[in-house]
Order: sequence, then structure tokens, then C-alpha cells
Amino acid sequence: EPEVTQTPSHQVTQMGQEVILRCVPISNHLYFYWYRQILGQKVEFLVSFYNNEISEKSEIFDDQFSVERPDGSNFTLKIRSTKLEDSAMYFCASRDHKAPNTEAFFGQGTRLTVV
Amino acid sequence: DQQVKQNSPSLSVQEGRISILNCDYTNSMFDYFLWYKKYPAEGPTFLISISSIKDKNEDGRFTVFLNKSAKHLSLHIVPSQPGDSAVYFCAATINSGGSNYKLTFGKGTLLTVNP
Repeated sequence: EPEVTQTPSHQVTQMGQEVILRCVPISNHLYFYWYRQILGQKVEFLVSFYNNEISEKSEIFDDQFSVERPDGSNFTLKIRSTKLEDSAMYFCASRDHKAPNTEAFFGQGTRLTVV
Repeated sequence: DQQVKQNSPSLSVQEGRISILNCDYTNSMFDYFLWYKKYPAEGPTFLISISSIKDKNEDGRFTVFLNKSAKHLSLHIVPSQPGDSAVYFCAATINSGGSNYKLTFGKGTLLTVNP
């Protein structure tokens, strides 16, 4: 069964450093998303991406965040200068473009720890 | 601003019995609702969904009921199995069919099914 894969599974970084979280969405999906879940809190929407541009972003997704689809398979989330409060599980998701009522498929997540 | 609420943080049931997980929403624009199951250290896994044009959707042991007037949905699991033990997230979206598909999640309910 096709799945969304994310790397690395765990990333530890120092405050102020840049991190790139990587995702390989399900092939032939065209809608891509990043969500995050701070420990003990709910899953929160960060950004949606379609046709090589951001279609919507949340208040969390400030200038420190960026997304990119550098090639035909990867979808990345970059945090330029990490803060302690960026520590969370980051989930990538993708969705089939063909039908309106379809679910988003999530990857297993990257645990980001900022120290 | 909790647009999707899961008021029960946890639920414990006996194997073979029915599990009922509840979810309330406040945004009347939501028209597509999903339930995801999440195990520790994994990403959310899609379980079942329902469009606002329906009031019930069934898939095997899982049934989702939607009461639009009450802005309430519930997930029934019958019979419950120990492998169902996980965190269950209710999610909602305004399903325009395009790229503006942002899932708003509840905080989740931890279901424990005891053998």
C-alpha cells in the first residue's frame, strides 16, 4: 500500500540552527500538507501546497518557515532559525487530487527537538 | 479557538463492547468530517469519513454518525478489540474540492480496550 514517508524520524538541533524536514508524498498525489503536534497538544495545520505554491498557511507558519518541492518526489519543510517552542512532531500529509471527498494520508512524523 | 472539540480525553471499554467516541464542532461551514487513529510514534491513520450530506457512514466495525443540527458527530466501534486501543482524532474541513483543504483536529480521545 502506498504511504507517505518522512525523514529523519528524529532530529535534534540547537536553537538558532536551520533544519530541513523531508517528506516523500504518495506518488500521483498533488496536494501536500505539513502539520505539527506539540507534546500533549492537538495536531495543528501549518501549510498546504499545490501546484508549486502555498495555497494556505496558518499563523504558526511565519517567515521562519518555508516549504519546497525541489524535485518530483520530495516535499520539504525548512525552519530557518529554530526556537525551543518549535520542538514538536511534524507530520507531512498528501491527498489525491482527483476527488473532493478524499482523506489526507499522513507520514509517520519527524520528532524535532530543539535544545 | 477550538472549532473541533473532543471533550473526553480518555475512554476505557471492555473487549467486545461498543466504544463511542464523541466530537463537537462550532464552525457550520465544515462539510466533511474524518476520524483518524494514532498509535504512539506513528502518524495519524485514516479510519472513516462522512460528508455533511449524509448522517451515517459504516465501514465494518466502524460507524460514524453526524448530527448537523447539533454540530455533533460520533464514532462507534463494535465490537471493540484490544488492537483498537489508540488515540482517536476527530477532524473537520471545508471541502471545496481544491487545494484549500485544511484539517482542523480535535485534541483526541485515548481509547483503551481491556481484554
